[in-house]
Amino acid sequence: DGGITQSPKYLFRKEGQNVTLSCEQNLNHDAMYWYRQDPGQGLRLIYYSQIVNDFQKGDIAEGYSVSREKKESFPLTVTSAQKNPTAFYLCASSRTGDSYNEQFFGPGTRLTVL
Amino acid sequence: AQKVTQAQTEISVVEKEDVTLDCVYETRDTTYYLFWYKQPPSGELVFLIRRNSFDEQNEISGRYSWNFQKSTSSFNFTITASQVVDSAVYFCALVNYGGSQGNLIFGKGTKLSVKP
Repeated sequence: DGGITQSPKYLFRKEGQNVTLSCEQNLNHDAMYWYRQDPGQGLRLIYYSQIVNDFQKGDIAEGYSVSREKKESFPLTVTSAQKNPTAFYLCASSRTGDSYNEQFFGPGTRLTVL
Repeated sequence: AQKVTQAQTEISVVEKEDVTLDCVYETRDTTYYLFWYKQPPSGELVFLIRRNSFDEQNEISGRYSWNFQKSTSSFNFTITASQVVDSAVYFCALVNYGGSQGNLIFGKGTKLSVKP
């Protein structure tokens, strides 16, 4: 079955620690995205990548970093510089980054900072 | 600037009722795409429909229908004879035609609860 996997489903982190969220897709999609979802806020874009070895900042990139070394993988690191990292994180992909393409989403990772 | 407004934060209906979710958008672009996504309690968003600004025909898919009106900048979503499985958060989204999916603007979502 083709799709997007995110791991772990739940993640707990102590303040001051960096943590990396995994996102893998086997849809052979060129473009991948990371969103943050907070209650009542909708989805906000953190980073996106339209092709391997290239990525762009979204609206709320501060305190986050990404890499795109392989087409199928787009890990997100939440650094200690992110002031309020507790949130639900969603990864998505689309066939290309063109505007008409729908996005396919993973099941999400819920990050809690203790 | 582009903006998507879903004024209804939460809606609660009883099974078999019809329900309409409102979506109003703002854009200076004359050509654009609109999307609806469903987020069930499991958390994973699911694509429902895409509409381009060239095509104002309404669309029906089973119990789901969409009413696109460019004159009022609205793209409303109606569920006929709602079912418990329709309970989810629904998002409307907008992107300009020449942009990328990295420019997709989401509304804040409408939480629909369908009670048996």
